[in-house]
Amino acid sequence: QKEVEQNSGPLSVPEGAIASLNCTYSDRGSQSFFWYRQYSGKSPELIMFIYSNGDKEDGRFTAQLNKASQYVSLLIRDSQPSDSATYLCAVLLLSSGSARQLTFGSGTQLTVLP
Amino acid sequence: DVKVTQSSRYLVKRTGEKVFLECVQDMDHENMFWYRQDPGLGLRLIYFSYDVKMKEKGDIPEGYSVSREKKERFSLILESASTNQTSMYLCASSLPYVGETQYFGPGTRLLVL
Repeated sequence: QKEVEQNSGPLSVPEGAIASLNCTYSDRGSQSFFWYRQYSGKSPELIMFIYSNGDKEDGRFTAQLNKASQYVSLLIRDSQPSDSATYLCAVLLLSSGSARQLTFGSGTQLTVLP
Repeated sequence: DVKVTQSSRYLVKRTGEKVFLECVQDMDHENMFWYRQDPGLGLRLIYFSYDVKMKEKGDIPEGYSVSREKKERFSLILESASTNQTSMYLCASSLPYVGETQYFGPGTRLLVL
């Protein structure tokens, strides 16, 4: 079982809809969770991070964390064609032997249709 | 703004050559990382460093080495390049204990012929 799993997609949503991206992780001791966006041919850029259970909002983006169920999600409201990208979930896994390593999921490709 | 730069965007090398990839960050970050990214395999950690002259192996260190002589600079070395090292190489840096947020450079696309 992979340590960090994402629904690989591709996920397509119409413009203006809510896009929901999900990520599960295996280590219950994980403390920090990150969402990165990666456009084709570019490097990942941070969207947001979350530490505490519940929701964290930043503009059109909301991260949701449920440590009991070991999942973290990203909601994108009012999706725009410019949101079309691959979204990477990253988790700070304490079981990795180091507190500073992030483990990345393989990413979910999102396409927002005009 | 955090700025992480990498020495080359595109690189073509021949099998057996020694290859140097350099990464520089300007934000005085303690932590630096080298990843490779391949389709279907995601981002995989090769090596990382917490401090000058300090290095630790990541998930796939075989065939690679690193050097960190100065805090701002982290080099990845392919001792004898092979075709299976054709990939996108990404450098990242972060501060410790501030969410461990990693900031990425633009990447180097390496082709080994």
